[in-house]
Amino acid sequence: AQSVTQLGSHVSVSEGALVLLRCNYSSSVPPYLFWYVQYPNQGLQLLLKYTTGATLVKGINGFEAEFKKSETSFHLTKPSAHMSDAAEYFCAVSEGGSYDKVIFGPGTSLSVIP
Amino acid sequence: SQTIHQWPATLVQPVGSPLSLECTVEGTSNPNLYWYRQAAGRGLQLLFYSVGIGQISSEVPQNLSASRPQDRQFILSSKKLLLSDSGFYLCAWSVAGVEQFFGPGTRLTVL
Repeated sequence: AQSVTQLGSHVSVSEGALVLLRCNYSSSVPPYLFWYVQYPNQGLQLLLKYTTGATLVKGINGFEAEFKKSETSFHLTKPSAHMSDAAEYFCAVSEGGSYDKVIFGPGTSLSVIP
Repeated sequence: SQTIHQWPATLVQPVGSPLSLECTVEGTSNPNLYWYRQAAGRGLQLLFYSVGIGQISSEVPQNLSASRPQDRQFILSSKKLLLSDSGFYLCAWSVAGVEQFFGPGTRLTVL
């Protein structure tokens, strides 16, 4: 069965510092992997996704993530945090196919300190 | 381009009252549709999904039901709300096994 773990329910970084949000997954088949962002009282917005091909994936707002099969990880990074990055971040995994059930991690709340 | 709508945006209902939340998708055909609930400070819990008209699968037993009367319409209902039904309800759609696209959500408070 698929599952997703996100290390750290809450992460604080200083403005301008590196953002690193950790995600590990389990899947019996090559997975599709996603990072979503949620601002307060809003729906989820896709930041980036990995399906096949290049393992370093670039997304919106300067975020990127690297798929590491050997480590079953898909950590999200951004070189320099901005105040507007404060939000909830969800990692998700899917086995794809015609029924694309997605399993979401519990989320990491990112705070950016001025 | 595709758009997903949810209404109402916020709802306050007394315990024991009925519920109907609606989700509609524009700009795509035969999408997979999903209802999620997000309790305060918690992750997303998949409630229902649908791969076609009239085809509903429930992920967890609960006080809620879902229906899909039209290709791009997904409705979440309850006959009698419980306090534990409070939360943020999100509708999502997808096509062909890639990412899901989420609506703006409905904040439900049951008093």
